[in-house]
Amino acid sequence: EAQVTQNPRYLITVTGKKLTVTCSQNMNHEYMSWYRQDPGLGLRQIYYSMNVEVTDKGDVPEGYKVSRKEKRNFPLILESPSPNQTSLYFCASRRGQSNNEQFFGPGTRLTVL
Amino acid sequence: GNSVTQMEGPVTLSEEAFLTINCTYTATGYPSLFWYVQYPGEGLQLLLKATKADDKGSNKGFEATYRKETTSFHLEKGSVQVSDSAVYFCALSTNAGGTSYGKLTFGQGTILTVHP
Repeated sequence: EAQVTQNPRYLITVTGKKLTVTCSQNMNHEYMSWYRQDPGLGLRQIYYSMNVEVTDKGDVPEGYKVSRKEKRNFPLILESPSPNQTSLYFCASRRGQSNNEQFFGPGTRLTVL
Repeated sequence: GNSVTQMEGPVTLSEEAFLTINCTYTATGYPSLFWYVQYPGEGLQLLLKATKADDKGSNKGFEATYRKETTSFHLEKGSVQVSDSAVYFCALSTNAGGTSYGKLTFGQGTILTVHP
């Protein structure tokens, strides 16, 4: 089954404790992206990657890091989480052109205390 | 920069009522337009899309027409069902290069609740 998977689905942590949210897709998509969803703001892009070893900032990259060492994986790293990073996070992937459908993972709900 | 504005929600309707969710956009270049739907506890799924002016996207009884003259992409359905209760997001994507390449810019989302 074609899908995007994220882990963990739920996470409660404390300020300053490094964490990684994993994302994997099995569709051989070149393009992958991370979004955060906050009430009243829709989804905002954090980082994206156009292919292996090619990443760039989205609209809200502060406090986040990413890497793309393999085509299927695109982990999101929070080196020192803060309460304002409490949010619902989505990973997405897409084949090629920008007018193609993006496939979204199920989401990771992160709470930083 | 690019932006998408959706009508304020939430929207509450009775089953079989007519649905319109307004969406307008500003963009450089020639965007593709999308409607995504998010059911409770799930990720977003593509509902429909249109890639050029006057195109009509349709799926599951929903329709939206790409209107370049009014920069709009309103979502409509003639008869909603309880199972349509979800959050609906209008979005656009452009082929512009640089940091905006392929990024989906989302509206704030509209919560739809349909009662029996």
